[in-house]
Amino acid sequence: EVQLLESGGGLVQPGGSLRLSCAASGFTFSGSAMSWVRQAPGKGLEWVSTISGNAASTYYADSVKGRFTISRDNSKNTLYLQMNSLRAEDTAVYYCAKLLGSPGPFDYWGQGTLVTVSS
Amino acid sequence: SYVLTQPPSVSVAPGKTARITCGGNNIESKSVNWYQQKPGQAPVLVIYYDNDRPSGIPERFSGSNSGNTATLTISKVEAGDEADYFCQVWDSSSDFSVLFGGGTKLTVL
Repeated sequence: EVQLLESGGGLVQPGGSLRLSCAASGFTFSGSAMSWVRQAPGKGLEWVSTISGNAASTYYADSVKGRFTISRDNSKNTLYLQMNSLRAEDTAVYYCAKLLGSPGPFDYWGQGTLVTVSS
Repeated sequence: SYVLTQPPSVSVAPGKTARITCGGNNIESKSVNWYQQKPGQAPVLVIYYDNDRPSGIPERFSGSNSGNTATLTISKVEAGDEADYFCQVWDSSSDFSVLFGGGTKLTVL
């Protein structure tokens, strides 16, 4: 059974940093591209970033480019999102999602972790 | 940049057919995926590559994609289908990015 478990969310002040983690199990992690998708309160889904299975390629939404860094540790089956220079508009539930091929659909999602940026 | 347009809401009576549209310029040239999201839950993939269903998704869910409109069709709608539905495509025109539609709230009357 595929499981994705996010952690690391919380309250952070504007300009601060936070690192999210996503522990994966139930599939060949190194063989799958992974993504982060966020959802602001009461809003729709917004793609944040994608990383290839071997971490050779990374992609970012314009809204986070230069501030967020996606990475992965295939030896630990874990996906990360380092978020710097956080802004109020980054407040959202952050989901990690597995990709079925790249490009492809997001076939499995974690339950999400809430990031609140506020003073 | 590419934009996906969904109606904010669709209402349907139980047992009837719901159709949720996703508009985009020449969207038929892209593969469209659809997600269902119930309150407080993570999204669930219900249709991928325009009209394929993941295992565990009822046959009542189907998809089509033609011209400038992709459509998610839910036949014999049940109360449990009430949820937000999002369409999604990959936009290869600008490096590599993912686009979601704004979402459609399906209400079962």
